[in-house]
Amino acid sequence: AQSVTQLDSHVSVSEGTPVLLRCNYSSSYSPSLFWYVQHPNKGLQLLLKYTSAATLVKGINGFEAEFKKSETSFHLTKPSAHMSDAAEYFCVVSDLQGGADGLTFGKGTHLIIQP
Amino acid sequence: DAGVIQSPRHEVTEMGQEVTLRCKPISGHDYLFWYRQTMMRGLELLIYFNNNVPIDDSGMPEDRFSAKMPNASFSTLKIQPSEPRDSAVYFCASSLGSAYTEAFFGQGTRLTVV
Repeated sequence: AQSVTQLDSHVSVSEGTPVLLRCNYSSSYSPSLFWYVQHPNKGLQLLLKYTSAATLVKGINGFEAEFKKSETSFHLTKPSAHMSDAAEYFCVVSDLQGGADGLTFGKGTHLIIQP
Repeated sequence: DAGVIQSPRHEVTEMGQEVTLRCKPISGHDYLFWYRQTMMRGLELLIYFNNNVPIDDSGMPEDRFSAKMPNASFSTLKIQPSEPRDSAVYFCASSLGSAYTEAFFGQGTRLTVV
């Protein structure tokens, strides 16, 4: 079975400082991993995805994530936060070979950007 | 493509009434998903279709919930009768080729049952 844990329900950073949103996953096989962003009253938008190619994945809006199999982690980072980054972020795991059907979503991390 | 289109964006209804949510997936996508999002439970997969056929409806909470996909470009999620605890944001999403690849989400329907 697959599962995903987002370690922080809320993260607050100042504008211009680095962002780190933590995600750990559990999967019996080689997973695909995704990060989605949800702005207020909007649908979910794909930020980036990992599908067994390069372990460092670059996404939109300056975000990137690194797949670390030994740590079962897929943390999301950005060097410099912008006010427009304030949103809810979801880490998602997909296990093609044996997990639950479809995508398994984390509970979400609310990113707050302080001016 | 305009993306996944859901209607209505907001729905307020009285307890006991029937509610129908609508979704138009991205053209050419062969998987369609219905999710429900609440503060308490986060995002929950309710049901998904492949080529218009329901594959897994184990997430549908009760018999009051039903979903159909009469053709590749349209799906409905119906709640009859509705209850206050059904209040949530309902998302439709579609994907191409697999239930395990990235899904593209609609804007959601915010349902309030009073």
